[in-house]
Amino acid sequence: EMQLVESGGGLVQPGGSLRLSCAASGFTFDDYAMHWVRQAPGKGLEWVSSINWQGSYADYADSVKGRFTISRDNSRNSLYLQMHSLKPDDTALYFCVKDGESGPRYYYMDVWGIGTRITVSS
Amino acid sequence: DIQMTQSPSSVSASIGDRVTITCRASQSISSSLNWYQHKPGKAPRLLIYAAAILYTGVPSRFSGGGSGTEFTLTITSLQPEDFATYYCQQTSSAPLSFGPGTKVDI
Repeated sequence: EMQLVESGGGLVQPGGSLRLSCAASGFTFDDYAMHWVRQAPGKGLEWVSSINWQGSYADYADSVKGRFTISRDNSRNSLYLQMHSLKPDDTALYFCVKDGESGPRYYYMDVWGIGTRITVSS
Repeated sequence: DIQMTQSPSSVSASIGDRVTITCRASQSISSSLNWYQHKPGKAPRLLIYAAAILYTGVPSRFSGGGSGTEFTLTITSLQPEDFATYYCQQTSSAPLSFGPGTKVDI
């Protein structure tokens, strides 16, 4: 069974940093691009960042560009999101997501973790 | 950047009803359009990818259509477990983007 398990969430002060991790199992991790998607309280889904299968290319939402860094360790079947200069608007449930096809672009999001919650507040 | 809109934002329906949700992209995205179902406290679930392909295990009462800038998700014969929020998403180009969601309730 394909599974994604996020960790690293918590309460952090504005301006602080946090690193999210996602452990993947049940599929060949380095065959697929991976994504982070978030949902703020009472809001819809928001794409945050994506990384290709090699970890050589990444994309970011304008709202996090320059503050967040996505990375992956294919030897550990793990995805990461390093977050700096956190703002109250970053408060959300963060989902780790697997892309549905192996290839040179992003296709669709077929496996989702249950999410890890981040609260940015003083 | 490609903006996604959905209509309606919410719909009240009954068991057995047919429900159609429309998603529009601000520019052509070919068929790079996916649909997800999301229930509170759960992970989102992929329903349809590439505009019209039913994902594995998804009931056949769900169907998708369209291309270019206008797309639809149709649920025929609504079931109790279908009450949820539905999102479209484009993966034609980064930044990837979701629609604002359509809540289907009783």
